[in-house]
Amino acid sequence: DTGVSQDPRHKITKRGQNVTFRCDPISEHNRLYWYRQTLGQGPEFLTYFQNEAQLEKSRLLSDRFSAERPKGSFSTLEIQRTEQGDSAMYLCASSPQGGFTEAFFGQGTRLTVV
Amino acid sequence: SQKIEQNSEALNIQEGKTATLTCNYTNYSPAYLQWYRQDPGRGPVFLLLIRENEKEKRKERLKVTFDTTLKQSLFHITASQPADSATYLCALDGDNFNKFYFGSGTKLNVKP
Repeated sequence: DTGVSQDPRHKITKRGQNVTFRCDPISEHNRLYWYRQTLGQGPEFLTYFQNEAQLEKSRLLSDRFSAERPKGSFSTLEIQRTEQGDSAMYLCASSPQGGFTEAFFGQGTRLTVV
Repeated sequence: SQKIEQNSEALNIQEGKTATLTCNYTNYSPAYLQWYRQDPGRGPVFLLLIRENEKEKRKERLKVTFDTTLKQSLFHITASQPADSATYLCALDGDNFNKFYFGSGTKLNVKP
């Protein structure tokens, strides 16, 4: 296992279109996180899964955003009716069960909405 | 709500010197704090973790301190090298380890 994998690395879409990103975490990790990062800012939390259960979702997250993690393995993040303000780097991270553990991040998906 | 502050100005130092980066936080009592390195266009990479009951942690040329009274962490890179040039992020744990809160990062430039 080479780490957390995200696909695609880059996505350009027209405003109003739907996009879906995929994240494959480290296989033995049951925690999975999605973050969004804009230029000059730190990663901003979007949502958290423990196995297949989505346990937390940011209150700042629009209803246009939805995430799934079927069977507790890979995860998808979908953005419906994209807006220019959605342009950002979308980062996925995973970590093993237990407290005091670090997060392992993927390389991210760079979304540009034109 | 919690607030994490890192110096938004870039830190420029000469090769061989010690770089010291600061992370301050308010309205929160984290169980632990982490430091990550991020290169342009890439995801953050974990460097060090320090718990609330630890004062200092070291790993090779890296050292982290954690002062829960001052609500501050200092991150030191000794004998800095140009390859250390990157953005460094501090992160605090969220409720029940369900999330991490990140600062905006400090860009370090090490000049040869």
